[in-house]
Formats: sequence, C-alpha cells, structure tokens
Amino acid sequence: DAGITQSPRHKVTETGTPVTLRCHQTENHRYMYWYRQDPGHGLRLIHYSYGVKDTDKGEVSDGYSVSRSKTEDFLLTLESATSSQTSVYFCAISLLAGGPLTGELFFGEGSRLTVL
Amino acid sequence: DQQVKQNSPSLSVQEGRISILNCDYTNSMFDYFLWYKKYPAEGPTFLISISSIKDKNEDGRFTVFLNKSAKHLSLHIVPSQPGDSAVYFCAASRSRSGNQFYFGTGTSLTVIP
Repeated sequence: DAGITQSPRHKVTETGTPVTLRCHQTENHRYMYWYRQDPGHGLRLIHYSYGVKDTDKGEVSDGYSVSRSKTEDFLLTLESATSSQTSVYFCAISLLAGGPLTGELFFGEGSRLTVL
Repeated sequence: DQQVKQNSPSLSVQEGRISILNCDYTNSMFDYFLWYKKYPAEGPTFLISISSIKDKNEDGRFTVFLNKSAKHLSLHIVPSQPGDSAVYFCAASRSRSGNQFYFGTGTSLTVIP
C-alpha cells in the first residue's frame, strides 16, 4: 500500500468557480501524477511532478494548474471550472526507485468532479 | 488522436475459459507496455507489463503477448474467474522520453459463473 489519498472524493460545483483537488502520499515518493478518466478516452495525463516545485504538462493540461510545495502533497487546480472538466480525477505515484521509466504507477481511489 | 486503442469496449467469458483482451498502438516509439485492472469506484491497479525486447511475459494466470511488427498486444487470462470481472486498460510509454503513459479506452470484462 503506497498510502495515497485524494480529497475530496466527490464534488459538485458550478461553472466558473475555482476547484482544488488534493493528493496526499505518506511514503515520500518523488513522482506524482494527475490523470482524468472519461468515457471513450481512457486515462489521460494532465500534469505530473518529479519533485518539490518541479512540474510539467501532460497531454490535456489546458485549464489546469498544479502545485507541489512539499513532497507529500500534489494539488490540482481548476481556476475556472467548465462543464468539460466534469470527470473522474486520479492521482498516481510511481512506486519503484527508478521512477516513471519503470512504469508501475499506483493510483488513488479517484475524485469525481461534476461541473454544472 | 488516440495512440493506444482498445477496440472492444466489452467482453463476456465463461468461468474457467480463456479471456483475451486486445490492444493496438500507433506510435512505433513505444517500448514499454502495461495492463491495469480497474474495479468500479476504485483506482486502476497494475497487473502486468512487458518491454519491447520481449514478446511474452507471464505472471500466474496472466500472460501478455507483444507483436511489435503489428503494433499489437494482448492479455490472456487463463482460467478466467468471476473476480476478474473489471475494466482493463492497456498503456504504453516511450521509456526513454520520460513520464508520459498513454492509456487505451478500456475493455470491460465480465466473467460469467
């Protein structure tokens, strides 16, 4: 168990409001990721982090920002939520010492966001 | 554009029989492939992986086959069990380039008792 928790697990919000999702890990892993899962699209990478204050964009980063001020927390922010951002969001960490190149991601339980 | 494709959204198999889940990819630079399993209301869990230097990898009841020339991989589950009922995602990466894993759209497997 990699000790990864996401909060909130469920959120309903209105278009135009800011939303922040939190991913917390207890085991000091360097690499953390945010994915979204949508029907017909599978899992798509939004942003990832390879250390404190070190982040980079994934394939669907528009409309999202991230921050990592300490190793254990990786925050995903929607500055102004839109209905197209209704999705299930998964945080993931890389368990193996070699980091992401070894491929084994451990996922959190997901945060379901509905934007009305 | 979807670089990793799972063309079968669903699959039903009798308990004890073989389940075969298929995945195709378009990017010839991918050299590392993974399968994840996902139950409802849970995050995906890693199942098995294969590097492009191999064409087969086994782990218990799960075997992944890779056909690089066809840009195709498959997951075989033998024998299938009701607890295997889940959504299966394949994923691929260009390991030398770092952190991006590209996932397929998933196949929902139902194993009928």
